[in-house]
Amino acid sequence: NAGVMQNPRHLVRRRGQEARLRCSPMKGHSHVYWYRQLPEEGLKFMVYLQKENIIDESGMPKERFSAEFPKEGPSILRIQQVVRGDSAAYFCASSPDRANTEAFFGQGTRLTVV
Amino acid sequence: QQQVKQSPQSLIVQKGGISIINCAYENTAFDYFPWYQQFPGKGPALLIAIRPDVSEKKEGRFTISFNKSAKQFSLHIMDSQPGDSATYFCAASFSGNKVIFGPGTSLSVIP
Repeated sequence: NAGVMQNPRHLVRRRGQEARLRCSPMKGHSHVYWYRQLPEEGLKFMVYLQKENIIDESGMPKERFSAEFPKEGPSILRIQQVVRGDSAAYFCASSPDRANTEAFFGQGTRLTVV
Repeated sequence: QQQVKQSPQSLIVQKGGISIINCAYENTAFDYFPWYQQFPGKGPALLIAIRPDVSEKKEGRFTISFNKSAKQFSLHIMDSQPGDSATYFCAASFSGNKVIFGPGTSLSVIP
């Protein structure tokens, strides 16, 4: 049973470009969470999704950031018109159901904006 | 109210010693308290977790102590080893909701 898969592992974008980060949850997991980690800092919650639904997006910046978890395929975190401050590690976690809070994390995508 | 506080920010322990990391929370609705271990370049990995109806949980060399009235919990790593050198995050969540992380403790175990 493969773990949470994130790709790409590293992503370099120029200012103003779009970044697309993908997350495939563990098999049987229908809940996905996205977190952002700045260098030397903790993980900050961004968004919590279930299949085709956004459950909690209280940690998402109001502009340029969006997330989806379609019925088929991976969850996507999309950042439009990236700026240098978006450079960070973005982690995805998945859990099997809402009641089970044991979340398993992927290896992360390290975004560098140049 | 959603914040989880963690101390110390960094910790140096000699091999064989005890590493202690402390955390505190405000929101009494939290009902799940996991600890995560993160190595450089890797994602966080669940180490051990506790629910507030239990005062202590031990798994191998790792023990969580939980004080519900004080709203504090701590991680003890017994017989610390160089391989334990990593960043440790305490966290809290409720009702299967998002996990709120503390700022992390960088642990270095020296020979």
